[in-house]
Amino acid sequence: QSVLTQPPSASGTPGQRVTISCSGSSSNIGSNSVNWYQQLPGTAPRPLIYNNNQRPSGVPDRFFGSKSGTSASLAISGLQSEDEADYYCAAWDASLNHWVFGGGTKVTVL
Amino acid sequence: QVQLVESGGVLVKPGGSLRLSCAASGFAFSDYYMSWIRQAPGKGLEWVSYVTSDGSYTKYADSVKGRFTISRDNAKNSLYLQMNSLTAADTAMYYCAREAGNHGLDYWGQGTLVTVSS
Repeated sequence: QSVLTQPPSASGTPGQRVTISCSGSSSNIGSNSVNWYQQLPGTAPRPLIYNNNQRPSGVPDRFFGSKSGTSASLAISGLQSEDEADYYCAAWDASLNHWVFGGGTKVTVL
Repeated sequence: QVQLVESGGVLVKPGGSLRLSCAASGFAFSDYYMSWIRQAPGKGLEWVSYVTSDGSYTKYADSVKGRFTISRDNAKNSLYLQMNSLTAADTAMYYCAREAGNHGLDYWGQGTLVTVSS
């Protein structure tokens, strides 16, 4: 059981917009920034969004992160076949004093 | 460029021990907290442990507390994870990652696979 809650799957056709939610609590998302990671099949996780809505160098602006209260979202616009991957949210938990992750959302491009 | 390279993952019997290593390069290793994160086959990411930049403080997930020990050698730019009393539940890909404040876990290694089986 993950501390952060994500839907197990999401899907869309090429060009569509897909949104993934991440729900937490006051001790994690409610008081700390949210990060998102993309994991392509057979590879290590890759940072996608940090500090709620910032993109590392090289991440396309099709990926957009947001946060409100104890929840966060990742939106992928203009969905492409190469976006088919698992996506994880993460945040520092001030009560547990360590990182916590969501269970991951598998995005399928139909 | 920043690089993290894990090693040491092998097939080990239940009850056995193993030490994982993570060699860091391309940045001032001694300035950063470091973490180990694992991923069981077909499962999600699980944070395992972190160590402060000077090695003075460590933290563990309840699932590994008392069995795993994280350490670092800043002179060798290396991070370690000593794993004892291994069980099948510890079977996973183990990643080391750099912590960078609001940037989160901003660099990850490629992982090393630990399989616990008789």
